[in-house]
Amino acid sequence: IAGITQAPTSQILAAGRRMTLRCTQDMRHNAMYWYRQDLGLGLRLIHYSNTAGTTGKGEVPDGYSVSRANTDDFPLTLASAVPSQTSVYFCASSDLAGSGANVLTFGAGSRLTVL
Amino acid sequence: GQNIDQPTEMTATEGAIVQINCTYQTSGFNGLFWYQQHAGEAPTFLSYNVLDGLEEKGRFSSFLSRSKGYSYLLLKELQMKDSASYLCAVREGDYKLSFGAGTTVTVRA
Repeated sequence: IAGITQAPTSQILAAGRRMTLRCTQDMRHNAMYWYRQDLGLGLRLIHYSNTAGTTGKGEVPDGYSVSRANTDDFPLTLASAVPSQTSVYFCASSDLAGSGANVLTFGAGSRLTVL
Repeated sequence: GQNIDQPTEMTATEGAIVQINCTYQTSGFNGLFWYQQHAGEAPTFLSYNVLDGLEEKGRFSSFLSRSKGYSYLLLKELQMKDSASYLCAVREGDYKLSFGAGTTVTVRA
């Protein structure tokens, strides 16, 4: 089934540790995104990529980095995790080349707890 | 940046109609989206408006007024499975999508 795969599903992490959340899509979408979702705040954009080889900062980029070496993969790295990064992380993709809505398709999410 | 406001919670009875309002402020409006998110799951696309007016899709309809910075999502003939969070999102430019905090709808028998 075509879609987005995120890993891990859930992770508990000690503060100060490095962590990479993986995201892979098989829809050949050119754009990919990372959002975090916190209670009462909704989904907030961390980083995005319009096409392989390019990335951009979203609303809350501090403490996170991304890379886009190819079309399918868009990993999100926390270089030194802090408790405020405890959240549910959603990866999403969209087809910018198509006309119209440019609908986002989301992965199932990664629940990260930083202690 | 954008401000997107929607009510936090709404409760309705099975078979009834519920209207979820969303107001927004943006400098480069390029579309308004509604997503549905069941607890513990990913958001899924419901509707898209870029021009003023009503878009109907089965039991769900979405309305947009660009001059007022206002949209609503109308859910008709409510079913228990419609209990979920409904997210209003505004696109600014070609790709950046900003979300409201979401409205949790509880459908009661």
